[in-house]
Amino acid sequence: AQSVTQLDSQVPVFEEAPVELRCNYSSSVSVYLFWYVQYPNQGLQLLLKYLSGSTLVKGINGFEAEFNKSQTSFHLRKPSVHISDTAEYFCAVSDHNQGGKLIFGQGTELSVKP
Amino acid sequence: DVKVTQSSRYLVKRTGEKVFLECVQDMDHENMFWYRQDPGLGLRLIYFSYDVKMKEKGDIPEGYSVSREKKERFSLILESASTNQTSMYLCASSLDNSYEQYFGPGTRLTVT
Repeated sequence: AQSVTQLDSQVPVFEEAPVELRCNYSSSVSVYLFWYVQYPNQGLQLLLKYLSGSTLVKGINGFEAEFNKSQTSFHLRKPSVHISDTAEYFCAVSDHNQGGKLIFGQGTELSVKP
Repeated sequence: DVKVTQSSRYLVKRTGEKVFLECVQDMDHENMFWYRQDPGLGLRLIYFSYDVKMKEKGDIPEGYSVSREKKERFSLILESASTNQTSMYLCASSLDNSYEQYFGPGTRLTVT
């Protein structure tokens, strides 16, 4: 069975500092990987996705993530965060046999302080 | 842009009431999903549907049922609401053979 682990439940960081949100997954087959963001009182919005090809994926709002197959990781990074990046971030995985289903991690609350 | 709408942002119901949560998408997506979101647990799949009148159980279907009579509409039903169903409910949709899901704004349900 697939699973997703987000290693940090909360990440506090100062404005303009770099940030990395960690995500590890377990799966016995090839996967598709996603990061979603949820701003307060809103639904989830897709940040970026890895389906195939280059392992470095760039998304919206200056975020990027790197797929590392050997370490089964898909960590999210941003070189310089803004107050407006304060939100909850979810990593998700699906495999080619799941017919569109996603398995989500527990979420990481990113709190950017001035 | 894909738009997924949910009938209510906030809902307060009493224990034992029958509750309907409605979700509508406007992009002709085949797949629709209902999740509940709880702090520290992420999103958990309740039910999903690949086509009209078709439904499949997700990871936590107990206490819930669904209805999909039209392609654009997917309803979640709590037959007899209980306090442990107090949660945020999120609806999503996706194209067939696509894994990118589009989410509605969520319904925060409180059962008292």
